[in-house]
Amino acid sequence: GENVEQHPSTLSVQEGDSAVIKCTYSDSASNYFPWYKQELGKGPQLIIDIRSNVGEKKDQRIAVTLNKTAKHFSLHITETQPEDSAVYFCAAEIKPNGLVFGAGTILRVKS
Amino acid sequence: GAVVSQHPSWVICKSGTSVKIECRSLDFQATTMFWYRQFPKQSLMLMATSNEGSKATYEQGVEKDKFLINHASLTLSTLTVTSAHPEDSSFYICSASVRGLFYTFGSGTRLTVV
Repeated sequence: GENVEQHPSTLSVQEGDSAVIKCTYSDSASNYFPWYKQELGKGPQLIIDIRSNVGEKKDQRIAVTLNKTAKHFSLHITETQPEDSAVYFCAAEIKPNGLVFGAGTILRVKS
Repeated sequence: GAVVSQHPSWVICKSGTSVKIECRSLDFQATTMFWYRQFPKQSLMLMATSNEGSKATYEQGVEKDKFLINHASLTLSTLTVTSAHPEDSSFYICSASVRGLFYTFGSGTRLTVV
């Protein structure tokens, strides 16, 4: 079955700096890779996603890159702000449908 | 759009009792609903997948007689934790999908069994 590994487990950055979180997956059949932000006591919120027919997608300060050959994808947050502090999860879709999640990254943005 | 409503947001129950959690897709019809469990400082672990009108498919290690899932319509799925015990205390989250085009999550239910 699909296995998703996520690194780092914790990440501290200074406000205004960039943050990068990386994930690898094992099932080459996976074609959909969403990223979620989860705040304490709440459900995950989709922040960006990418499908295998593109290599990069950007939405304002957030971008995701996908390398299908190497089976890894990354989340990039630029100009980080304190409100970006949260737990971030990557996920990969499994067939017929459903998501397998990475272990999560605690992002702390220090002001 | 694509809003999933989950209730209750938190519940405390006594050991041995049952608790029902509801998950509704408010503005779309979900072909599939998923139930996850999340322990503190851990990731989301898929418990079961259900399609409307069909029996749920449970992940390995999840007791189907303990975690009853009903998916009676395209907008409503319920998870009932039967004969709850303290070890069932966790954060339960539902997710709804339309043929894998997107996955939207509910706000979660914090279950505490005392």
